[in-house]
Amino acid sequence: AQSVTQLGSHVSVSEGALVLLRCNYSSSVPPYLFWYVQYPNQGLQLLLKYTSAATLVKGINGFEAEFKKSETSFHLTKPSAHMRDAAEYFCAVSVWGIMKTSYDKVIFGPGTSLSVIP
Amino acid sequence: DSGVTQTPKHLITATGQRVTLRCSPRSGDLSVYWYQQSLDQGLQFLIQYYNGEERAKGNILERFSAQQFPDLHSELNLSSLELGDSALYFCASSLTTRNEQFFGPGTRLTVL
Repeated sequence: AQSVTQLGSHVSVSEGALVLLRCNYSSSVPPYLFWYVQYPNQGLQLLLKYTSAATLVKGINGFEAEFKKSETSFHLTKPSAHMRDAAEYFCAVSVWGIMKTSYDKVIFGPGTSLSVIP
Repeated sequence: DSGVTQTPKHLITATGQRVTLRCSPRSGDLSVYWYQQSLDQGLQFLIQYYNGEERAKGNILERFSAQQFPDLHSELNLSSLELGDSALYFCASSLTTRNEQFFGPGTRLTVL
């Protein structure tokens, strides 16, 4: 069964430090992968997506993620954390049905709450 | 602004009541998804529609139902409400079932 795991439900980093949020997926077919961010009292917003082109994907707000098929990972990074990056981050995988698009589905991970310490 | 609109923004009601949440997808998007988000359960997928047809069901209670209308807007109906139904309800839309989803601002439901 397809799944998405995010290691660490809470991550704290100092302002200016590297941000690393981990995401691993299980899928029997090459997936599309997404990272979303949710600021307090708002809906989820797409940060970046991987759709089988370049394995290093750049997104908004200085974030990027690298697709590593051998590790089934899609970790999110940002070189220098800013206070405004404090939010909930969700990794998601789009799994395609082999025979019919009606079997397509998107699976969200449980989320990682990022705190940035001044 | 994602282009997905949800009404109302806030809803306060009593146990046992029935409410309807409304979602208008982004222009051109055919897929609509409903999610429930609470502190203890996280983001839970409820149901998905594609061009008027139900495509997938997640952890949706029998007391909840949804539909997508010919103009592609969708409604989520919650009945016999319980305290535990208090949550944020998000609608999202996408062009197809394989594209990224765009989320609305959510409806915050409080059941007293």
